[in-house]
Amino acid sequence: SQELEQSPQSLIVQEGKNLTINCTSSKTLYGLYWYKQKYGEGLIFLMMLQKGGEEKSHEKITAKLDEKKQQSSLHITASQPSHAGIYLCGADIPSSGSARQLTFGSGTQLTVLP
Amino acid sequence: SQTIHQWPATLVQPVGSPLSLECTVEGTSNPNLYWYRQAAGRGLQLLFYSVGIGQISSEVPQNLSASRPQDRQFILSSKKLLLSDSGFYLCALLAATDTQYFGPGTRLTVL
Repeated sequence: SQELEQSPQSLIVQEGKNLTINCTSSKTLYGLYWYKQKYGEGLIFLMMLQKGGEEKSHEKITAKLDEKKQQSSLHITASQPSHAGIYLCGADIPSSGSARQLTFGSGTQLTVLP
Repeated sequence: SQTIHQWPATLVQPVGSPLSLECTVEGTSNPNLYWYRQAAGRGLQLLFYSVGIGQISSEVPQNLSASRPQDRQFILSSKKLLLSDSGFYLCALLAATDTQYFGPGTRLTVL
């Protein structure tokens, strides 16, 4: 089965600093999703990557999928307290059923100190 | 755009009691719907998914069940809760863009 490993598990940075979160797959990724979650709340969709070498940005968050499509990184530039939360990567997994399914990493807890 | 509602937001139940969590969606028709559980310090675990009314697929054997009585309603149930059922339950739908969007979640504590 496909597994996703996220690193680091937790991260504490000073406001204004840049940071990177990684998501590594044991198998080729055919769809990689990044979500953000505030404690006790649902997941907020950030970005989806599908092609090797693809890079997407939204505001100060950039996500990349490597050429081999087995690793993705999420980079935040000039972090702010509003970026704090849990970041989860999810990947499409082969399904014998008729619905698309995702498997998720265990998440990265980000704390941004003011 | 699609909206996902989950009810209740929080729930505290004794061991052995029944459970019913509701997920309703708006702004879409015949969506694929999903139930996930997120235990403390762990990632999301897919419990059930449904591609249509009355169609439920189970991913993990457990004492939970799911039903889809209406196109936009997905219900997670249990006849007798276990301590291990505690967690954060999330409902999700698959949008036309092949992206899953999540509801606000239900925090369940079993005592």
